[in-house]
Amino acid sequence: QVQLVQSGAEVKMPGSSVRVSCKASGGTFSTFAISWVRQAPGQGLEWMGGIIPLFGTSHLAQKFQGRVTITADESTSTAYMELNSLRFDDTAVYYCANYAVGDSDAFDIWGHGTMVTVSS
Amino acid sequence: SYELTQPPSMSVSPGQTASIACSGDKLGDKYVSWYQQKPGQSPVLVIYQDTKRPSVIPERFAGSRSGNTATLTISETQAMDEADYYCQAWDSSTAYVFGTGTQLTVL
Repeated sequence: QVQLVQSGAEVKMPGSSVRVSCKASGGTFSTFAISWVRQAPGQGLEWMGGIIPLFGTSHLAQKFQGRVTITADESTSTAYMELNSLRFDDTAVYYCANYAVGDSDAFDIWGHGTMVTVSS
Repeated sequence: SYELTQPPSMSVSPGQTASIACSGDKLGDKYVSWYQQKPGQSPVLVIYQDTKRPSVIPERFAGSRSGNTATLTISETQAMDEADYYCQAWDSSTAYVFGTGTQLTVL
């Protein structure tokens, strides 16, 4: 059974950066399509971007271009999301999720979420 | 950018049917998925490709579509179904888009 295990909660200062990891197990990582979705407190789900490890290229939502980097390391079956120039409104739970391309065509597996708090 | 609109909230009595709508421009041309999210938990896929249900999801969850509106219907609603529900689609200009979310209260 495929599982996505994320790194632990982070508290960061405004203007700094944060990197969140997402380790996959129970499947063939190169065939995954990992996306990052965030949820601010009391708000809805927001897609940030994603990567297909097999191809190594990422695709970002326009809002996050220039501030987010998404990478994947096939040797450790781990995807990463780095968010720079943190602002108070970046405080949110960050989820990784697998999009089952050509299967369900939906986000079928989700990580448990990583809380990132931006505070001075 | 592409947007999907849902009612912010709705309530239903136990045993009754809840229908949650999701509308968007040219939504009829896209696959719609639905996710259930309970407080403090990750979202869970309950409907994909408009009408299909993962094997672990109870049969009382059903998806349908009419024109540019997709609907999630929960029959014989139970207290455990109380959650936030989000629709989701893919758009060529915006990529993956989630609906605004609907808070379902069972009372």
